[in-house]
Amino acid sequence: DSGVTQTPKHLITATGQRVTLRCSPRSGDLSVYWYQQSLDQGLQFLIQYYNGEERAKGNILERFSAQQFPDLHSELNLSSLELGDSALYFCASSGRMFQDTIYFGEGSWLTVV
Amino acid sequence: AQKITQTQPGMFVQEKEAVTLDCTYDTSDQSYGLFWYKQPSSGEMIFLIYQGSYDEQNATEGRYSLNFQKARKSANLVISASQLGDSAMYFCAMREGNYGGSQGNLIFGKGTKLSVKP
Repeated sequence: DSGVTQTPKHLITATGQRVTLRCSPRSGDLSVYWYQQSLDQGLQFLIQYYNGEERAKGNILERFSAQQFPDLHSELNLSSLELGDSALYFCASSGRMFQDTIYFGEGSWLTVV
Repeated sequence: AQKITQTQPGMFVQEKEAVTLDCTYDTSDQSYGLFWYKQPSSGEMIFLIYQGSYDEQNATEGRYSLNFQKARKSANLVISASQLGDSAMYFCAMREGNYGGSQGNLIFGKGTKLSVKP
């Protein structure tokens, strides 16, 4: 158990819909990262938050948004879903030191039909 | 641009033998970190081992060791005494430098699928 909690574990939804993925980081970790893993794109970094503030953006679509709340949990919102958004979405967290490990949650499997 | 290359899409190893998974990286940063993760078929991403760019000793964690050759920009994972449960995808990843107190994100290679034969 990595200590990073993601919900839901599995989600099936229709095209055009909106979903929210939730992540609780490891206790004490201030950084939260979101990654998307698909068969054709591999593991792609989406966005990073540190102590409530956005710190880095990767290949995140405009239809996607995220935030980190004062209690440090984070949500990734995916809207106007397309078939190509079907993927495994990971949340990860880490401490403030450079050598701190980035631990991943078990992921949220999203299937868009 | 930073990049991670894993040239072995798939590998086979006999149970109880050692295996080396290759990883090369490209970065202009002096300070960076290298990680290996294991992803079994169930999907979770499991941290295995970390090597910092300034670490003089190769990292070891149980049956995992990292063969770090800085001049060659390689960070190969060595798994000793392979077990059937080692069958999984293995990802090499690099962490970008420090940004104002928060740490950079990981850049991943495409992975190597390891199959352990009984």
